[in-house]
Amino acid sequence: NAGVTQTPKFRILKIGQSMTLQCTQDMNHNYMYWYRQDPGMGLKLIYYSVGAGITDKGEVPNGYNVSRSTTEDFPLRLELAAPSQTSVYFCASSRQNPNEKLFFGSGTQLSVL
Amino acid sequence: KQEVTQIPAALSVPEGENLVLNCSFTDSAIYNLQWFRQDPGKGLTSLLLIQSSQREQTSGRLNASLDKSSGRSTLYIAASQPGDSATYLCAVRPLGQAGTALIFGKGTTLSVSS
Repeated sequence: NAGVTQTPKFRILKIGQSMTLQCTQDMNHNYMYWYRQDPGMGLKLIYYSVGAGITDKGEVPNGYNVSRSTTEDFPLRLELAAPSQTSVYFCASSRQNPNEKLFFGSGTQLSVL
Repeated sequence: KQEVTQIPAALSVPEGENLVLNCSFTDSAIYNLQWFRQDPGKGLTSLLLIQSSQREQTSGRLNASLDKSSGRSTLYIAASQPGDSATYLCAVRPLGQAGTALIFGKGTTLSVSS
């Protein structure tokens, strides 16, 4: 029962470095999402995808990029990391029906110093 | 713009007490509302999903209600236990284009003491 798997769980970056957060799901879900969660705040949507080859910006996309080459994988790329990107990042997925539940990964805690 | 508010931000109760968590949203044009549980350092787990045409959903000791016209939902937890201690988030899925993402409240952190 893997569900949504995120790697790595923790990472420390220096300002200006780049990295990719990995997300994969084994439920054959069409919809996938990237959220960030800052302390005391709700989750903010970064990017989402409704299927392979289709992505779109969410509320806070600046400084990030995504790709969706397969149904299973939805990596999030951070270019030129900044301290403002210190956060916990969650990947989620759901079926195509909007009344289906969202399934979340366990998160990646990222610090940019 | 849809906004979701949860009150209170934190709640402490003794074991065995029944309690209610509140969620309000500003735009009634939604597919559904979901309640999630988040344990420290963990991801979110969906507890209950109420479709816009429904009034409530139940799972075990949890009951969630939805009053779409007034923009309110409540999560009722019966006979609370220390294991219920967690942050509870509500989220709405706005009507709109395919893949429309959830909009979350900031959560209520619940502490149940034994």
